[in-house]
Amino acid sequence: DGGITQSPKYLFRKEGQNVTLSCEQNLNHDAMYWYRQDPGQGLRLIYYSQIVNDFQKGDIAEGYSVSREKKESFPLTVTSAQKNPTAFYLCASSTNRGEKLFFGSGTQLSVL
Amino acid sequence: AQSVTQLDSQVPVFEEAPVELRCNYSSSVSVYLFWYVQYPNQGLQLLLKYLSGSTLVKGINGFEAEFNKSQTSFHLRKPSVHISDTAEYFCAVSGVGDYKLSFGAGTTVTVRA
Repeated sequence: DGGITQSPKYLFRKEGQNVTLSCEQNLNHDAMYWYRQDPGQGLRLIYYSQIVNDFQKGDIAEGYSVSREKKESFPLTVTSAQKNPTAFYLCASSTNRGEKLFFGSGTQLSVL
Repeated sequence: AQSVTQLDSQVPVFEEAPVELRCNYSSSVSVYLFWYVQYPNQGLQLLLKYLSGSTLVKGINGFEAEFNKSQTSFHLRKPSVHISDTAEYFCAVSGVGDYKLSFGAGTTVTVRA
């Protein structure tokens, strides 16, 4: 089945630690996105990538980093500079501008 | 830049009653509009979208929405809800031809028997 796979489902971070969230898609989509979801705040865009080896900052990129070395993969690293990382992280992909987003099932990140 | 305001954070409704979720948007350019639904601990899935053409858009699961450019609104409606419609609903907007999608804060719909 085609879709987006996020792993792990739950992740715990210690103080000062960097952690990486995985996102893989087999939909042959060009564009991929990372959103952060906090209760009562909806989804906020962290980074997005339109093509391989290119990505742009979203609205809340500070404390996060990404790479897009392969079309299928768009990992997100939550660095120690992100002081409030506890949230639900959603990865998405799309074919073209304005088309619908396909979402993964999310990763819940918590701080120990 | 575009932004979305969802006017109701919580909407309780009885089974088989109608429901309307309100969404207003702000943009200086032409827009695409979307409604997504999120079930607990899951990602989002598309209910419906407005790109162009008819202002009344029909989606999955009996939902529909109407684009009103003069009022900058895109309200979602369903004439008769089921228990299974209990979920969080998000309105979203993007500029035409833009990759960035901006989401509202969400409306939690709780359907009671």
